Amino acid sequence: DTGVSQDPRHKITKRGQNVTFRCDPISEHNRLYWYRQTLGQGPEFLTYFQNEAQLEKSRLLSDRFSAERPKGSFSTLEIQRTEQGDSAMYLCASSPEEGTGEQYFGPGTRLTVT
Amino acid sequence: DAKTTQPPSMDCAEGRAANLPCNHSTISGNEYVYWYRQIHSQGPQYIIHGLKNNETNEMASLIITEDRKSSTLILPHATLRDTAVYYCIVEYGNSGYSTLTFGKGTMLLVSP
Repeated sequence: DTGVSQDPRHKITKRGQNVTFRCDPISEHNRLYWYRQTLGQGPEFLTYFQNEAQLEKSRLLSDRFSAERPKGSFSTLEIQRTEQGDSAMYLCASSPEEGTGEQYFGPGTRLTVT
Repeated sequence: DAKTTQPPSMDCAEGRAANLPCNHSTISGNEYVYWYRQIHSQGPQYIIHGLKNNETNEMASLIITEDRKSSTLILPHATLRDTAVYYCIVEYGNSGYSTLTFGKGTMLLVSP
């Protein structure tokens, strides 16, 4: 399967702990996006990478959140000092440079903060 | 905020066509209409997109009105596996990059 993959699929953590999620995009896609989805809502944009450069960040991405894409391939999203309000599905998507905006999503990482 | 309006839910009988409407009255000339769907506990799946002309692919057809203020996604022969939340999104896409703004979508329930 050459789709977008995310790891882990599920994460349960205690409040105050740090967590890190990984996203592997489709190999030839140089654009990578992170979204967050809470129960009953549509996904919300967090941040965007073109190759290794982080070009856009939503105001939703507080100081406790950091994302990297060091070699322009996989990306990580870290949340420090987790809070219960961070409980959500974290989705990664990728798209090709030559496309017309369509994005291909991974299965998501479900985070539960207790 | 999302630039689109969709009914919160729709029902469809298996084997019949599902027609999902979307209003986007403030769409600008170079904004595309995208449709995605999200099956329970999965990531969103791209379905189709269009600018002005009607589009068809192996999954669905997209009909855009001449004034571009509304569109309809058509699943010609709905199956139980088409039960999902369907999102209509209006965004700039001609640069190959867009940050999708999802609304709440339409929950389509396909029944036997």
